[in-house]
Amino acid sequence: AQSVAQPEDQVNVAEGNPLTVKCTYSVSGNPYLFWYVQYPNRGLQFLLKYITGDNLVKGSYGFEAEFNKSQTSFHLKKPSALVSDSALYFCAVRDLSNDYKLSFGAGTTVTVRA
Amino acid sequence: DTAVSQTPKYLVTQMGNDKSIKCEQNLGHDTMYWYKQDSKKFLKIMFSYNNKELIINETVPNRFSPKSPDKAHLNLHINSLELGDSAVYFCASSQGVNVGTSSLFFGEGSRLTVL
Repeated sequence: AQSVAQPEDQVNVAEGNPLTVKCTYSVSGNPYLFWYVQYPNRGLQFLLKYITGDNLVKGSYGFEAEFNKSQTSFHLKKPSALVSDSALYFCAVRDLSNDYKLSFGAGTTVTVRA
Repeated sequence: DTAVSQTPKYLVTQMGNDKSIKCEQNLGHDTMYWYKQDSKKFLKIMFSYNNKELIINETVPNRFSPKSPDKAHLNLHINSLELGDSAVYFCASSQGVNVGTSSLFFGEGSRLTVL
């Protein structure tokens, strides 16, 4: 079965410092990987995706993610975090047995302190 | 204008009652979804419709019945509510069914509390 794991429940960083949110995947074949963000009391918003091509993917709000096949990882990064980046971040993978389905990780709560 | 709107935003009800949550999208998308987010924030797909046709039906109790009167609307009716149904229910939409090429747009959620 296709799945993603987010090993950290919480990530705390100071404003201005680099932010990394980790995601590893377990997929047979070539994965389609995604990051979504959920701000408090809001729905999820799409940040970025990796389908094929360049391993470094740039997305919304200054975020980027690097697809690493050897480490089966797709970590989300931002060089300089803002307090407004505090949110719940979800990694997701397309289910290879069903093009219509996304399977989400458990989420990582990011807190950026001023 | 809200792209994906759900009503009601909050719903508190007693066990055994029947309730509905409505969803509308004005993005012109042809695919809509219902997701359930539990108290631990875990997100799981329940149903998906493409052009009013059911394409995903996960292992969900048959007390849950989705209905799509047209491709802009997807409603969720829940019969005989149980305590375990308490969750936040998210509606989402996308253009096309292939999630590899179509991003999901989510509503703000409907928080259901069953007492």
